[in-house]
Amino acid sequence: GENVEQHPSTLSVQEGDSAVIKCTYSDSASNYFPWYKQELGKRPQLIIDIRSNVGEKKDQRIAVTLNKTAKHFSLHITETQPEDSAVYFCAASIRGNKLVFGAGTILRVKS
Amino acid sequence: NAGVMQNPRHLVRRRGQEARLRCSPMKGHSHVYWYRQLPEEGLKFMVYLQKENIIDESGMPKERFSAEFPKEGPSILRIQQVVRGDSAAYFCASSPGRVDEQYFGPGTRLTVT
Repeated sequence: GENVEQHPSTLSVQEGDSAVIKCTYSDSASNYFPWYKQELGKRPQLIIDIRSNVGEKKDQRIAVTLNKTAKHFSLHITETQPEDSAVYFCAASIRGNKLVFGAGTILRVKS
Repeated sequence: NAGVMQNPRHLVRRRGQEARLRCSPMKGHSHVYWYRQLPEEGLKFMVYLQKENIIDESGMPKERFSAEFPKEGPSILRIQQVVRGDSAAYFCASSPGRVDEQYFGPGTRLTVT
């Protein structure tokens, strides 16, 4: 079936700490895994993505890792700041046509 | 380069009326996707279109919902005879090709009274 599980559903961290969000997917043919950040009332914004031929990708304070064997991928945010507070969604491509999204993680960065 | 545009941003319809949501993709993008988001929930895929073709409509309800992406003009998501359960935010996204980065529009918030 087409399923993406995302954990945790909420995450509170102290400013400056790291945050990790994990996702698992079911379709072994999935080969594209983006992460989106959505602030309240706003559009989802693509923050980083990874393709199946790569195990890790980094962009400043954000990194994504992918384990194709275990069908896991994770988002890592280091040195969190209050403006990182938002809902984060992972997604996986299905049949090369569409994205199936996880249920989202509410990240709160406390200052 | 303008981003993905959607209009209207807010739409109020009474039960039984029709709702038409428009989406103009980013310049150079020929792939359009529609998603629905209920309050405090994730994004649910509805339909994937290329110019003049529906590629995948597996997420779209069989009745009352239709989508098109004509040769000229925006993509349209049409909901006939709206019911209260249709109240949601409807986002479209565009990409330059299959399995490429999808960029989202600002969404249309539909309220059915």
